[in-house]
Amino acid sequence: GAGVSQSPSNKVTEKGKDVELRCDPISGHTALYWYRQSLGQGLEFLIYFQGNSAPDKSGLPSDRFSAERTGGSVSTLTIQRTQQEDSAVYLCASGSSGGAAHLPQYFGPGTRLTVL
Amino acid sequence: DQQVKQNSPSLSVQEGRISILNCDYTNSMFDYFLWYKKYPAEGPTFLISISSIKDKNEDGRFTVFLNKSAKHLSLHIVPSQPGDSAVYFCAAKGGWNTGTASKLTFGTGTRLQVTL
Repeated sequence: GAGVSQSPSNKVTEKGKDVELRCDPISGHTALYWYRQSLGQGLEFLIYFQGNSAPDKSGLPSDRFSAERTGGSVSTLTIQRTQQEDSAVYLCASGSSGGAAHLPQYFGPGTRLTVL
Repeated sequence: DQQVKQNSPSLSVQEGRISILNCDYTNSMFDYFLWYKKYPAEGPTFLISISSIKDKNEDGRFTVFLNKSAKHLSLHIVPSQPGDSAVYFCAAKGGWNTGTASKLTFGTGTRLQVTL
């Protein structure tokens, strides 16, 4: 079956511009996560959606970052007024049950964002 | 504050030998641990996991060992194959009564190279 897909695969933008990154989770998965991986770093949690519950935004690094999930499926991560330190690979993951310890999260291929 | 640490950035092992990847954690509220494997330009893929109530979990060539008292886990790959060459991430999450149930906390990864 289809896995998690993300678009675009690569995005180059100028400092100060806004960007939108898209994630299509696995069909039927209720949980959706955004992470990012900066160069030489591990994956850093950004935000988590579970069904109709309020999202866990505790990992968002600043108010320039926001995300929404429409209809419980597709999610968009928006970064406003991008800065060079936002350059990273942004990874989306989905899971069939939010936070359930016995169910792993399945990752998409990521979007590589470069802010010039 | 790095709560999950992989102190070896890289490891080289001969084909057929055992690969041992190590991971240490500091948060005693973590109760579930996962290993992910990542190839270049792809998202991480789930490999194996272990609950804190166990000290060992085995799946084919892959075994994960957990030492709770030492806050240490390791991934053993036996026998190692060239296709195992990838970056391996250790990840951890907490129970429902903690602040870490809805997200994975990742280490920085260990690059494994299996040579012929």
